[in-house]
Amino acid sequence: TQLLEQSPQFLSIQEGENLTVYCNSSSVFSSLQWYRQEPGEGPVLLVTVVTGGEVKKLKRLTFQFGDARKDSSLHITAAQPGDTGLYLCAAYMDSNYQLIWGAGTKLIIKP
Amino acid sequence: EAGVVQSPRYKIIEKKQPVAFWCNPISGHNTLYWYLQNLGQGPELLIRYENEEAVDDSQLPKDRFSAERLKGVDSTLKIQPAELGDSAVYLCASSFFGGVPGDEQFFGPGTRLTVL
Repeated sequence: TQLLEQSPQFLSIQEGENLTVYCNSSSVFSSLQWYRQEPGEGPVLLVTVVTGGEVKKLKRLTFQFGDARKDSSLHITAAQPGDTGLYLCAAYMDSNYQLIWGAGTKLIIKP
Repeated sequence: EAGVVQSPRYKIIEKKQPVAFWCNPISGHNTLYWYLQNLGQGPELLIRYENEEAVDDSQLPKDRFSAERLKGVDSTLKIQPAELGDSAVYLCASSFFGGVPGDEQFFGPGTRLTVL
């Protein structure tokens, strides 16, 4: 059973477009993280969100944690080829503080 | 500061052969993780160490996989014998305090294993 559902699984868009990817669950999380992974490398942390309703911005990336701490979204404005990669969400379960991972969204930005 | 170091980067073996992967975490990080990642998927935890103690190995297939972190620093993951389904990328990660919400994990580049 996949506790963290990421959607879409795959997204290919043109440079300059906007996009949103999602990370959803029926469970409540104490915190949620977004990582980006490029081919041949390990994941790298982008952001950690902790408070329900929290919004964080990292340049053109906007991260939001759902009010109920069950879901999150990542919005990219004016996507660039350098944004290409596998975007993974990972969340700490409230019940046991175990970190679980989503399957990722593979994003390709075409020049 | 050096990141997480893994070796080898690539390994090709025939099924039923043994294989070992090595990881040196970031200096000062108490927690070390081994993950398995299939193509286009998220990491799956195999084992987590706090210093030299394995605190979560519930997902480690113990009939063929073993791991050690003898001095609480570097670690080795072994598969014996390897099966075709073991082909994947094996990632090592480290952090200051595992199990703490919001703790950042730092990953190595992984070892890509191909079993023929």
